[in-house]
Amino acid sequence: EAQVTQNPRYLITVTGKKLTVTCSQNMNHEYMSWYRQDPGLGLRQIYYSMNVEVTDKGDVPEGYKVSRKEKRNFPLILESPSPNQTSLYFCATMRSGVPYGYTFGSGTRLTVV
Amino acid sequence: AQSVTQPDIHITVSEGASLELRCNYSYGATPYLFWYVQSPGQGLQLLLKYFSGDTLVQGIKGFEAEFKRSQSSFNLRKPSVHWSDAAEYFCAVGPDTDKLIFGTGTRLQVFP
Repeated sequence: EAQVTQNPRYLITVTGKKLTVTCSQNMNHEYMSWYRQDPGLGLRQIYYSMNVEVTDKGDVPEGYKVSRKEKRNFPLILESPSPNQTSLYFCATMRSGVPYGYTFGSGTRLTVV
Repeated sequence: AQSVTQPDIHITVSEGASLELRCNYSYGATPYLFWYVQSPGQGLQLLLKYFSGDTLVQGIKGFEAEFKRSQSSFNLRKPSVHWSDAAEYFCAVGPDTDKLIFGTGTRLQVFP
């Protein structure tokens, strides 16, 4: 079954404590992306990756890092989380060059206190 | 710059009534257009998409959308809403094949 798996689903952490949200896909998609969803703001892109070792900033990259060492994995790293990064995060994948739209993970609800 | 506007933040309809959710986009050429649905506590699921050709597209769950170039719109419709359609709906535009820009969403509430 085609899947985008995010972990964890829920996370409460304290300001400044480094964390990683994992994203893994089994569809061999080249393109992967991270979005955050906030009330009234919709989904905003944080980072994206066109392929292995190729990453680029989206619209709201400040405070986040990513890496793409393998095609299937695209972790989101918060080196020093702050309360304004409390949000719902989605990983999305897409086969490059084919406008079929994204396949989304189930989301990670992050609370930073 | 490309953008997507969903003018209605919240819509309430009665079960069995018809539904139309509005979406307007700003883009110089013909974009790729999508509608996604997000049920409470869930990720986003693709309802339908438009690339080219017939401007009326059919999607899953009985939804359809019509691309109107002259109005820069891609409104989502359903002739008879079910209680299970209560969710948040997002319109998205893809200026190219590798990036989607999302609207701010419309929350649909369905009364019995």
